[in-house]
This record gives sequence, C-alpha cells and structure tokens, in this order.
Amino acid sequence: ILNVEQSPQSLHVQEGDSTNFTCSFPSSNFYALHWYRWETAKSPEALFVMTLNGDEKKKGRISATLNTKEGYSYLYIKGSQPEDSATYLCAFMRETSGSRLTFGEGTQLTVNP
Amino acid sequence: DTGVSQDPRHKITKRGQNVTFRCDPISEHNRLYWYRQTLGQGPEFLTYFQNEAQLEKSRLLSDRFSAERPKGSFSTLEIQRTEQGDSAMYLCASSLVATGELFFGEGSRLTVL
Repeated sequence: ILNVEQSPQSLHVQEGDSTNFTCSFPSSNFYALHWYRWETAKSPEALFVMTLNGDEKKKGRISATLNTKEGYSYLYIKGSQPEDSATYLCAFMRETSGSRLTFGEGTQLTVNP
Repeated sequence: DTGVSQDPRHKITKRGQNVTFRCDPISEHNRLYWYRQTLGQGPEFLTYFQNEAQLEKSRLLSDRFSAERPKGSFSTLEIQRTEQGDSAMYLCASSLVATGELFFGEGSRLTVL
C-alpha cells in the first residue's frame, strides 16, 4: 500500500448499532496515525493520535486500535447515535515526512434515528 | 483563544483573478499547515510552517500558489491567476508539536467560475 485507504467509503446504520471502519497505510517508516471526525459545516476534530504498535485508545463510545506491522487501524463506535453522523478521516505520518499528514478519503457515516 | 479562524469562509471569483486567504492559528501553536480538499477526497497537504519558516511545500503547489507567515503568527495563502481546477476547500490547521493533533479551522471554500 502506497497511500492511505479507508473502507467502507460510506455506511448507513440504525441508532444503537455498533460499527467499525478500517484504515490501511504503508507499514514502512511509520511514525503516527491520526483519526479525525468531520461534521458537515464544521472543522475536522481530532479523535486520536496513535504512535505505538498495539495501541488502543478510547474516548467515550469510540475506540481505535493500531497495528503498525501490518499497516492497519480500526475505529469502533459502540451504540451509534445520530450525532455520530460525520466523515471519519484517518491520516498517516511517515518518519521521513516531516510533519506532513497523508489523509485517506474518509468513511461517511450516517446514523438513522 | 477560540481556535483556528479562517477568512473568508467563502469566495467566488472569476477565472484569472487573484485570491488571498488568511488563517489565524491558536496563538501558542508554532506549526501551521495548509491543506486542500476537493469533493470526495481527503485533505491534501499543501505546505507547512514552523514559526515563520516555510519548511515544506507540496509538489501539488504550482508557482501560482504562495504562502507566507511573516511574523510566525497568522498566515496567508495567495492563488494568482485562478483556474477552475483551483475550486476547493482550503483548510488551515495548527499544532503545538510535530506529531500532535492538528486543530483545524472551518476552511475557506473557493469557487472559480
């Protein structure tokens, strides 16, 4: 993998469902992996910054895991709520890229009440 | 400090005109980034500053694009002789440390007619 790939591209779930998305990134020269949530008409907001293989982070109903050796991260949302509707972006930072983040195209989540 | 602010939020211009966007980062953040986002894509890196020094510039940035951060505080992004392909959301972000989370503004949406 040369760039950051996210799947699925979009997802529609019912309120109360749990869901997860995948972010795949190059496994070489890994430095950091970021997750952002971007609600319509607002600014992207950081959820997690992960740097260590095996990292697991949690914020409320949202959690993320990181596997730097195989180059993937999962984002989980437990008991989705309509206010979770947003685009979820992951971004990868290489050791040699300075401070440049390479973003995926995002997963657009819609939670129906 | 209320966060990163960008101005203007929306700009409609005719092809060939020059446009300038301004970004005011969070005051204690020494790193400032410009990204561009087009429909269906993730944000693409354009350039970043540490204090007043422009440390990296993407190859995506043609000679028509220039960015400055004269006193290490606010930054401007100027696009000369705009083209329809420049239509996008221009996002500014700031951070305190190299690998820290980015704090984004709400973006400046450019439409070139």
